[in-house]
Amino acid sequence: AQSVTQLDSHVSVSEGTPVLLRCNYSSSYSPSLFWYVQHPNKGLQLLLKYTSAATLVKGINGFEAEFKKSETSFHLTKPSAHMSDAAEYFCVVGHGYGGATNKLIFGTGTLLAVQP
Amino acid sequence: KAGVTQTPRYLIKTRGQQVTLSCSPISGHRSVSWYQQTPGQGLQFLFEYFSETQRNKGNFPGRFSGRQFSNSRSEMNVSTLELGDSALYLCASSLPHSLAGGLYEQYFGPGTRLTVT
Repeated sequence: AQSVTQLDSHVSVSEGTPVLLRCNYSSSYSPSLFWYVQHPNKGLQLLLKYTSAATLVKGINGFEAEFKKSETSFHLTKPSAHMSDAAEYFCVVGHGYGGATNKLIFGTGTLLAVQP
Repeated sequence: KAGVTQTPRYLIKTRGQQVTLSCSPISGHRSVSWYQQTPGQGLQFLFEYFSETQRNKGNFPGRFSGRQFSNSRSEMNVSTLELGDSALYLCASSLPHSLAGGLYEQYFGPGTRLTVT
């Protein structure tokens, strides 16, 4: 069965410092992994996705994530935080394989605060 | 290209009533999924439709149902509303088939905020 664990429920950084949001996954086959961001009272926006093409995935707004199979991790990073990055971030694993379903399994979310 | 649209954006209902929410996917997307988001349970999968057929269903009671039309638009219905059904209901659309076993990205609408009193 697929699952994701987000290791921190809250992360606080200062503007201009690096961001690290941690995610571990469990999957019985090669997973599809995603990071989504949700700003207050908004829907979910896709930041990036991993589907086995490359282990280092670059996303929008300067975010990137590295897939590490040996550590079953898919941590999200950004070199320099901006005030507009304050939001909730979700690590997500795709449940299906081979076209059977598009079901997504969400982590519990990490709330990122950016201090001026 | 227009994004996923959901109507209505906000809804207030009374316990025991029923409600219908609507979702229009991105043009060309034939897979539509629904999720419920609450502070206590987080984001939970409700169901997925593809070509007017329910392809997968989450662990929700039978009061929750959905359907998809030939133009890929989807509706979900909740009957006999309970206080615990108060939530943000999110719809996502995607291309229907996976690529070499992986999933295509899913695009979410802004959600419908349902409040049950």
